[in-house]
Amino acid sequence: DIQMTQSPSSLSASVGDRVTITCQASQDISNYLNWYQQKPGKAPKLLIYDASNLETGVPSRFSGSGSGTDFTFTISSLQPEDIATYYCQQYDNLPPEMLTFGGGTKVEIK
Amino acid sequence: EVQLVESGGVVVQPGGSLRLSCAASGFTFDDYTMHWVRQAPGKGLEWVSLISWDGGSTYYADSVKGRFTISRDNSKNSLYLQMNSLRTEDTALYYCAKGRRGAAGDWGQGTLVTVSS
Repeated sequence: DIQMTQSPSSLSASVGDRVTITCQASQDISNYLNWYQQKPGKAPKLLIYDASNLETGVPSRFSGSGSGTDFTFTISSLQPEDIATYYCQQYDNLPPEMLTFGGGTKVEIK
Repeated sequence: EVQLVESGGVVVQPGGSLRLSCAASGFTFDDYTMHWVRQAPGKGLEWVSLISWDGGSTYYADSVKGRFTISRDNSKNSLYLQMNSLRTEDTALYYCAKGRRGAAGDWGQGTLVTVSS
């Protein structure tokens, strides 16, 4: 089974800061990697799919990059409404498309 | 607008059974794979199960295999999760989610299952 290692597990940054979260796969997953945002008390929301594609309506300050085993999620300028836990998620390209989530990164305002 | 509304979560004793339901609307239900994903209190997301659009294929996380059964009724736009032999570690908020290629594109608000004596 493919394991997803996400880091850091939490971070504190100031409004306007650039925030970076990494996700590492235990083996090559090409670009089969998505990112979710979960605000406190809410369901997760898909932000980025296939490593770097922004979901419709998601602000452009969010971005993703990477392929193979190493992936990065970036918030270019942290806003107060970005307080949330962010998860990476890997999937198998062939059916069944089972989902494997990373451990999550809690983002707080300093 | 996609809507997914889970129900059925209650407090149940270890070893007990429970069936969760998810009512879907706002999209053509039988066009999509559906997932169950859970989140233990204060913990991360754990994928539980998926079912293909026609119910012909089902898959489970190792942690629930042999105890949980996913099913769907496309005539009722509904997804189900039958949970047997429940354990304390099954305590979680259970979300149903609409599948898309390799992702959970839309989520319900979840239903809470508590396994406790």
